[in-house]
Amino acid sequence: DAGVTQSPTHLIKTRGQQVTLRCSPKSGHDTVSWYQQALGQGPQFIFQYYEEEERQRGNFPDRFSGHQFPNYSSELNVNALLLGDSALYLCASAISGRTDTQYFGPGTRLTVL
Amino acid sequence: AQSVTQLDSHVSVSEGTPVLLRCNYSSSYSPSLFWYVQHPNKGLQLLLKYTSAATLVKGINGFEAEFKKSETSFHLTKPSAHMSDAAEYFCVVTRSYNTDKLIFGTGTRLQVFP
Repeated sequence: DAGVTQSPTHLIKTRGQQVTLRCSPKSGHDTVSWYQQALGQGPQFIFQYYEEEERQRGNFPDRFSGHQFPNYSSELNVNALLLGDSALYLCASAISGRTDTQYFGPGTRLTVL
Repeated sequence: AQSVTQLDSHVSVSEGTPVLLRCNYSSSYSPSLFWYVQHPNKGLQLLLKYTSAATLVKGINGFEAEFKKSETSFHLTKPSAHMSDAAEYFCVVTRSYNTDKLIFGTGTRLQVFP
């Protein structure tokens, strides 16, 4: 049974560009959350998707947006990239109502030059 | 508001000696508390969780943690460190009735020397 998968593994962009990161949840999971982990810091909650809608959002600007597809996979989009967006982006999946147990993917390392 | 404070950014121990990673929490609500481990180039793995049941929680790989409400602490311990325990450890809090949003501490890097 595959766990949470994310693509790509690494990504390099320049300031002002746009980026899309992808996540496939663990089999049977219907809820996907995204986190940003800056170097030397703990992950910070960006938002969560359930039934193709954003259910919760952290303190991130509107440049960060997402989407969930009918197969529960999800995308994270970041527009107008800033140097400070360089981080490890983590996806976590869970079963709705059982979100006390979240499974994390290996992450996408985004570098903005 | 909720937050966690990990009191040590780095902890070094010798293999076979006890491990203690300290975490204090702040919560306006009855909290759920977790410890996650992150090995290099790997995703976060749940070690253990407290969700208002027994205050002493046992997790994977011999780790355990005790919820102490009077001290607002949730320290992680292991009787005997193994080389494979070297990793980054995160203490996490969330509201017990809303476990959707996880709030992470800044992490403690555990080094294990032979």
